[in-house]
Amino acid sequence: EDKVVQSPLSLVVHEGDTVTLNCSYEVTNFRSLLWYKQEKKAPTFLFMLTSSGIEKKSGRLSSILDKKELFSILNITATQTGDSAIYLCAVESSNTGKLIFGQGTTLQVKP
Amino acid sequence: EAQVTQNPRYLITVTGKKLTVTCSQNMNHEYMSWYRQDPGLGLRQIYYSMNVEVTDKGDVPEGYKVSRKEKRNFPLILESPSPNQTSLYFCASSSRTGNTEAFFGQGTRLTVV
Repeated sequence: EDKVVQSPLSLVVHEGDTVTLNCSYEVTNFRSLLWYKQEKKAPTFLFMLTSSGIEKKSGRLSSILDKKELFSILNITATQTGDSAIYLCAVESSNTGKLIFGQGTTLQVKP
Repeated sequence: EAQVTQNPRYLITVTGKKLTVTCSQNMNHEYMSWYRQDPGLGLRQIYYSMNVEVTDKGDVPEGYKVSRKEKRNFPLILESPSPNQTSLYFCASSSRTGNTEAFFGQGTRLTVV
């Protein structure tokens, strides 16, 4: 059975800290891995990863994929209170286009 | 503007009263799906559709129906809602050719009393 597991499930840090969120997966016919940020509304897209070892970067956020070990990490440096959100990892199956989501990591950044 | 539109955004209803949540996308995406989100459980897929007239069950389909008569629309139907269907629902669409992310609607918060 396909599954995506995120860790930790929740995390509390202070502004300025660096955090690493983890996502491991077991999915047949892997196409891509996606990271989303969810505040009090719909998930918003952060990154799509398809190849191992190539870091995607956007401001203070970065992510990388390891297709051999079947995991991805999302790094946030110099965290701000606006980074407080649920971070969702999803893996897309290539034969159906189906997205399998992890449980999400709830990040709280305190001032 | 590329978007997925869900309606209504909020709904309170009573047990057993049929309801429909609409979802429409303007990106000509083949793939559409419905998720429910509950605390601690993440996003769980209810139903999905790979194209017009092609629908299939996701992980938690019980108590729900869908239809895909047109490419842009993918309504979610609750024939006889029950309190355990109280949840936050999201519709999403994506291209089956890949290399693009899934786009989400704004969500529908449903309460069944």
